[in-house]
Amino acid sequence: QKEVEQDPGPLSVPEGAIVSLNCTYSNSAFQYFMWYRQYSRKGPELLMYTYSSGNKEDGRFTAQVDKSSKYISLFIRDSQPSDSATYLCAMSANAGKSTFGDGTTLTVKP
Amino acid sequence: GAVVSQHPSRVICKSGTSVKIECRSLDFQATTMFWYRQFPKQSLMLMATSNEGSKATYEQGVEKDKFLINHASLTLSTLTVTSAHPEDSSFYICSASRQEVREKLFFGSGTQLSVL
Repeated sequence: QKEVEQDPGPLSVPEGAIVSLNCTYSNSAFQYFMWYRQYSRKGPELLMYTYSSGNKEDGRFTAQVDKSSKYISLFIRDSQPSDSATYLCAMSANAGKSTFGDGTTLTVKP
Repeated sequence: GAVVSQHPSRVICKSGTSVKIECRSLDFQATTMFWYRQFPKQSLMLMATSNEGSKATYEQGVEKDKFLINHASLTLSTLTVTSAHPEDSSFYICSASRQEVREKLFFGSGTQLSVL
């Protein structure tokens, strides 16, 4: 069993929809939770960074972490075609070494 | 922001040759850099952790003599694919983090290696 499981997708939504992307994990030592966005054939870009449980909002993006359930989510409001990409969740216990989910590919249709 | 530059972005080489990929942190010092391999529509596979001034730590199954990593300064790490073969063709990506928040990774733009 993988340490990090990510909803596989692909996900296709109309422009303006609310998108929910989710990951579960098994390692209770994870304390740092990240979401990265990767466009095709590019390096990932850090979107959200959260330490421990709770919510964090940045513009149209909201990250939620529920450590008791070992579940994290990324919500995208008012989705735009430019949000079309692969989203990777990542988690770390310490020392900067992250474990990544397999990614969810999102397509937002105009 | 934190910028990581990776070169080249694309390289095509003949089987048996060696290829060097550079990863530079442009506006911060990176004591640790990571090297990944990514196959189409798959996630990042960590190959090795590169620490400035010391030997790299390789993940299980990654041949250290095949993938040579050098982290000679706080802003530069290199990955050399030695005696490349077609099965080494892949997308290689580096990342670096600031000392103060090591969990936030800043990625290079990746290198597409094609071995003929």
